[in-house]
Amino acid sequence: QSALTQPASVSGSPGQSITISCTGTTSDVGGYDYVSWYQQHPGKAPKLMIYDVSNRPSGVSNRFSGSKSGNTASLTISGLQAEDEGDYYCSSYTSTSTPVVFGGGTKLTVL
Amino acid sequence: QVQLQESGPGLVKPSETLSLTCTVSGDSISPQYWSWIRQPAGKGLEWIGRIYPSGSTNYNPSLKSRVIMSVDKSRKQFFQFSLKLSSVTAADTAVYYCARGGYSWNYWGQGILVNVSS
Repeated sequence: QSALTQPASVSGSPGQSITISCTGTTSDVGGYDYVSWYQQHPGKAPKLMIYDVSNRPSGVSNRFSGSKSGNTASLTISGLQAEDEGDYYCSSYTSTSTPVVFGGGTKLTVL
Repeated sequence: QVQLQESGPGLVKPSETLSLTCTVSGDSISPQYWSWIRQPAGKGLEWIGRIYPSGSTNYNPSLKSRVIMSVDKSRKQFFQFSLKLSSVTAADTAVYYCARGGYSWNYWGQGILVNVSS
């Protein structure tokens, strides 16, 4: 069981917006602004899409945005495109015995 | 352009030690963490641990008793950091990634599949 909780799957049609949630505790998501989001396509390494809750690395589309409220972080993808289909993982710094925890991953399907 | 490349055996026997090396090019060993992350087939990501250039390490408590990480700074054009995981079982079969960063990772290797099987 993962330390952070994500929905197993989400779906949306091209052009729509979707949001993926990532729920933790005050020891991780709620306590620190160190939430990251990764996109992974089959057979590929994960790609950093958002870091420190809401920052986009250079080269990442501004269709991707991140936010946080309480113990839940969210990744929003606007103007959904076929290439956005894949698995998405959140991670967070944590004050527990391990400094990093992951969510279980969310499979995004573009209908 | 920073590049990371994992290398090592793709097959390890049960009870033996898994040894992987990550070669980093295009970046100096600047003061930041370097991490190992793994992913069993069809499953999610698992953080294994991280190492700082000074040699300071942090490991996943679930693996801590079996993990050793080290860094080699002897070469000028690139540097390497390594992972050793002892007493492996079939549960350690996974794609192993090396990545730059301590709690978020902006550069990743392509990953190396390691099978634990006799």
